[in-house]
Amino acid sequence: DQQVKQNSPSLSVQEGRISILNCDYTNSMFDYFLWYKKYPAEGPTFLISISSIKDKNEDGRFTVFLNKSAKHLSLHIVPSQPGDSAVYFCADASGSARQLTFGSGTQLTVLP
Amino acid sequence: GAGVSQSPSNKVTEKGKDVELRCDPISGHTALYWYRQSLGQGLEFLIYFQGNSAPDKSGLPSDRFSAERTGGSVSTLTIQRTQQEDSAVYLCASSFGGTVGGQETQYFGPGTRLLVL
Repeated sequence: DQQVKQNSPSLSVQEGRISILNCDYTNSMFDYFLWYKKYPAEGPTFLISISSIKDKNEDGRFTVFLNKSAKHLSLHIVPSQPGDSAVYFCADASGSARQLTFGSGTQLTVLP
Repeated sequence: GAGVSQSPSNKVTEKGKDVELRCDPISGHTALYWYRQSLGQGLEFLIYFQGNSAPDKSGLPSDRFSAERTGGSVSTLTIQRTQQEDSAVYLCASSFGGTVGGQETQYFGPGTRLLVL
């Protein structure tokens, strides 16, 4: 049974600094992970993904790191902007039905 | 269309009534998913459709929940005899559906906010 855990429910960062969001997982079948951002009253928006053949994937200000031995991934946002304030979910795409198993989310607040 | 669309955006109903929620996936996407997010909870998988195959219903919480997907495109999630604990945001997502190994990106609609009084 796969589990995805985001142990920090909230994070506050000053504008321009780095935001680091963490995620731990167990029993991933395909080692394919995605990060989504969610604003209130909207659906999750895909940000970035990473698969087991890589340990890092970068897209503009967003970089995701995967440490398979530690079963840990992290999302780095640099520089952080006030518009980045949202709930961030990590997800494991390993369900038997290809469904995503989501973490509980981290509320990021970027202070101007 | 450009993205996944869902209707209605909000639905208020009385306990015991039936509700239908609709999802229009991204054109060309053969895989369609329903999730829900209850207040203070994470996103929970409900059901998965892939093309014309029988759906994977392993996430449906009770037999009051059912879903159809007509013509491999539009999907309807039906909740019969709604209960207060059914109050949640119901999210639909679609993906290309042709990738081996499950390494696909799912794109979400804006959700339907259901409130059962």
